[in-house]
Amino acid sequence: AQSVTQLGSHVSVSEGALVLLRCNYSSSVPPYLFWYVQYPNQGLQLLLKYTSAATLVKGINGFEAEFKKSETSFHLTKPSAHMSDAAEYFCAVSDQTNAGKSTFGDGTTLTVKP
Amino acid sequence: EAGVAQSPRYKIIEKRQSVAFWCNPISGHATLYWYQQILGQGPKLLIQFQNNGVVDDSQLPKDRFSAERLKGVDSTLKIQPAKLEDSAVYLCASSHPQANYGYTFGSGTRLTVV
Repeated sequence: AQSVTQLGSHVSVSEGALVLLRCNYSSSVPPYLFWYVQYPNQGLQLLLKYTSAATLVKGINGFEAEFKKSETSFHLTKPSAHMSDAAEYFCAVSDQTNAGKSTFGDGTTLTVKP
Repeated sequence: EAGVAQSPRYKIIEKRQSVAFWCNPISGHATLYWYQQILGQGPKLLIQFQNNGVVDDSQLPKDRFSAERLKGVDSTLKIQPAKLEDSAVYLCASSHPQANYGYTFGSGTRLTVV
C-alpha cells in the first residue's frame, strides 16, 4: 500500500519569498511521484513528475522538486513566489508496477501575500 | 490537443435521486479514471478503465455507484440513489499510454446532494 503525507494544510508566504511545500511518501516498491496544482473551480494540472531518472525534477512555472529516497520525501520548491502561484497543491505517488493508479495527499493551500 | 471534457459542471439533487456524469478523455489515451474529491481532501480513485475494461474498481461503492466505458472512449459515472455524503467534485482523468507521464484532469463536476 502507498500513502502520501503533506505537512501543513496551509502555507502562507510573501511575494518574492521562497516557497517550500512538503511531501513525504510511503511505498514498498520504487515509486513514481507527482505534484499537481489546482486553481479554484478547475481540475488538477500536472506540475512535475519523478520517474526514476534525475532526482532533481524541474517543472512548469519555475517549480522544482527533489526526490530523496533516504528521507522518503519529495518536497516542492520555488525560489520566488508570485501572486499567481496561490492555489492548492497535491502530491501523489504511484508504484512503478502499476503507474496508472495514484494515491494523493490531502493538499496544501498556498497563499501569497503582497 | 483538446483536454478532458466533463459535463455537467454543476449538479444539485435531492438525496435518493439518481445522477450521471459524462467524460470524454483525450484522444489516444487508453486509460481513463474517475476520482472523487471531497472538500478538504485529495482525490480518491473510484475506478480505472483500460480501453473498455475495468482495471481497478476496489474503491467504488458498488451498491450505488456504477460506471461504464462501452466503446473504449467516453465514460459515464452514475450514482443511484445518492446520499448526502456523495457531495463532492467528481474528476475524470486520462493518461498517456506510458502511464508514468501522469494524468490530465478534466474540470470536474461539482455534485451537491441536499
